[in-house]
Amino acid sequence: EIVLTQSPGTLSLSPGERATLSCRASQSVSNNYLAWYQQRPGQAPRLLIYSASSRATGISDRFSGTGSGTDFTLTINRLEPEDFAVYYCQQYGTSRRLTFGGGTKVEIK
Amino acid sequence: EVQLVQSGAEVKKPGESLKISCKESGYSFTTSWIAWVRQLPGKGLEWMGIIYPADSETRYSPSFQGQVTISADKSINTAYLQWNSLKASDTAMYYCATWGFGELGYFDPWGQGTLVTVSS
Repeated sequence: EIVLTQSPGTLSLSPGERATLSCRASQSVSNNYLAWYQQRPGQAPRLLIYSASSRATGISDRFSGTGSGTDFTLTINRLEPEDFAVYYCQQYGTSRRLTFGGGTKVEIK
Repeated sequence: EVQLVQSGAEVKKPGESLKISCKESGYSFTTSWIAWVRQLPGKGLEWMGIIYPADSETRYSPSFQGQVTISADKSINTAYLQWNSLKASDTAMYYCATWGFGELGYFDPWGQGTLVTVSS
């Protein structure tokens, strides 16, 4: 099983700042099949990024994903009030055991 | 546009059975997989398993194998998640989502979630 470790656990920032979230895999993620999701309080998760760097339909270009192998990053530029949420990474390089990271909460400072 | 609509919140007692549903609209139900994901209160996301409604091929996460049953009825575009004997530790939000193999192995879109509460 590929274990995904997200850091930091909580990120305290102000609107307008940049958020940098990390997702580290215990082994290389095949084909960089890594996705990022946003979950606002009381809502279902929403796909932001797939294949490490491709934005999902309708996602603002303030969201960008980078990385390969075992180290991946989600960057959110110019934080807006609706961006304060929990973010999860998920790997699908191994379809027999899909795994999520533990999440990073982006909170208002 | 694909939409997944889940059944409503449930309150059950330990030992009772339960079957929750996830109905897809807006796409061909038989050409994509449906996944189930658990979220314990205040915790992260856990993949439970997937089903291909066209032929009911099912795969489970080892963590959930034998604990739940995933099924589907392609005639009504609906997938199900079932427990035979609920435990208090099954209290959680359960989401369904569309999933695909290979480069499509991310979850999108998601249902709105079904809250299951198990309490005596």
